Amino acid sequence: LAKTTQPISMDSYEGQEVNITCSHNNIATNDYITWYQQFPSQGPRFIIQGYKTKVTNEVASLFIPADRKSSTLSLPRVSLSDTAVYYCLVGENDYKLSFGAGTTVTVRA
Amino acid sequence: EAQVTQNPRYLITVTGKKLTVTCSQNMNHEYMSWYRQDPGLGLRQIYYSMNVEVTDKGDVPEGYKVSRKEKRNFPLILESPSPNQTSLYFCASSSPFRGGNTEAFFGQGTRLTVV
Repeated sequence: LAKTTQPISMDSYEGQEVNITCSHNNIATNDYITWYQQFPSQGPRFIIQGYKTKVTNEVASLFIPADRKSSTLSLPRVSLSDTAVYYCLVGENDYKLSFGAGTTVTVRA
Repeated sequence: EAQVTQNPRYLITVTGKKLTVTCSQNMNHEYMSWYRQDPGLGLRQIYYSMNVEVTDKGDVPEGYKVSRKEKRNFPLILESPSPNQTSLYFCASSSPFRGGNTEAFFGQGTRLTVV
């Protein structure tokens, strides 16, 4: 599994766009990039996955450059309820998801 | 509604008193797992199951047992709980993590305190 590096924490204000960059220099050819969101005392929730270029859904966008050595999760116009920990996962093990420390995003009014 | 249901949500118990945390999923998933989450240590896998009657150890299996007699259920058993098993526990289910699939569904969590 590729090692990932992402910021420990980020602060933002309501209505702003939040971009979290994840570095994964050792990403393998077949690896997908996945992001999970975890609210306090709740289980992680899958929010988006991509392989290359850009993926967008109702929650977020995921930007992946051509070399795929990094990716950026973009949360548009955040609200207080977007305060959570965001995890970047790269690659897959058949039986386990490997969560790192994640990025704690705090949205303030 | 697709969901993973854990019970109980909160549990306080005493050292050595056997307990079971139940987990049930309604998505017909083959894979089920148990994780524990501790401050500073993140999410660590305890046990996983690839299908009925097939289970294996994760990263931190000591002190835990599991069983998978039915596809939908995957209980976590603590035969003799100790204070170092005080933690937040999550059950998860999914299809196999291959071919680009990395979507797992997690339960609401069980906060266990062993005194």
